[in-house]
Amino acid sequence: SQTIHQWPATLVQPVGSPLSLECTVEGTSNPNLYWYRQAAGRGLQLLFYSVGIGQISSEVPQNLSASRPQDRQFILSSKKLLLSDSGFYLCAREAGLAEAFFGQGTRLTVV
Amino acid sequence: AQSVTQPDIHITVSEGASLELRCNYSYGATPYLFWYVQSPGQGLQLLLKYFSGDTLVQGIKGFEAEFKRSQSSFNLRKPSVHWSDAAEYFCAVVLFNNAGNMLTFGGGTRLMVKP
Repeated sequence: SQTIHQWPATLVQPVGSPLSLECTVEGTSNPNLYWYRQAAGRGLQLLFYSVGIGQISSEVPQNLSASRPQDRQFILSSKKLLLSDSGFYLCAREAGLAEAFFGQGTRLTVV
Repeated sequence: AQSVTQPDIHITVSEGASLELRCNYSYGATPYLFWYVQSPGQGLQLLLKYFSGDTLVQGIKGFEAEFKRSQSSFNLRKPSVHWSDAAEYFCAVVLFNNAGNMLTFGGGTRLMVKP
């Protein structure tokens, strides 16, 4: 199975509130995992990637952080959301030969 | 630095017409190349990929793409577009480093299909 679970599907949060988006994957152990953000009318921006438990690399300095507490769990967080954090967040796992499988995404609106 | 460019942000075609979506990459070697499709509010689905060998690759849903090294391009084509093809299409290349394989995406091309 290559299933990737993301929740919630949609989220509306006020500015300054915290954020926690969760991604869990099924299938092989120790997958490489990724968080992407897609802002309105723009392409996908790689935010974080993880090659294992507790190993997080950030691609872009920002208001967000990521954690990987378990092998198949990848969490995207923020202590205080900004309006500019609004977007469509996608979790992905590497699926061999650089191919990626994506979750269904979480649409975050910061108001 | 590696980059992927999709010159067309929006494209509108009539149903039944042919389609070509452009993708250019900047990379020091022959990259691994991908096309993904995203339906509204959904995640991304892989259409096709190129690693090596035959430069014309076939994908799902009747799509194909041709790798042209001389032009650093990997354009996506379909001979006859269906209304259900309306979606956003992303070209991507993979960057290999010690931390794993990371996809770098182009800005996307939104395809609209007229009846």
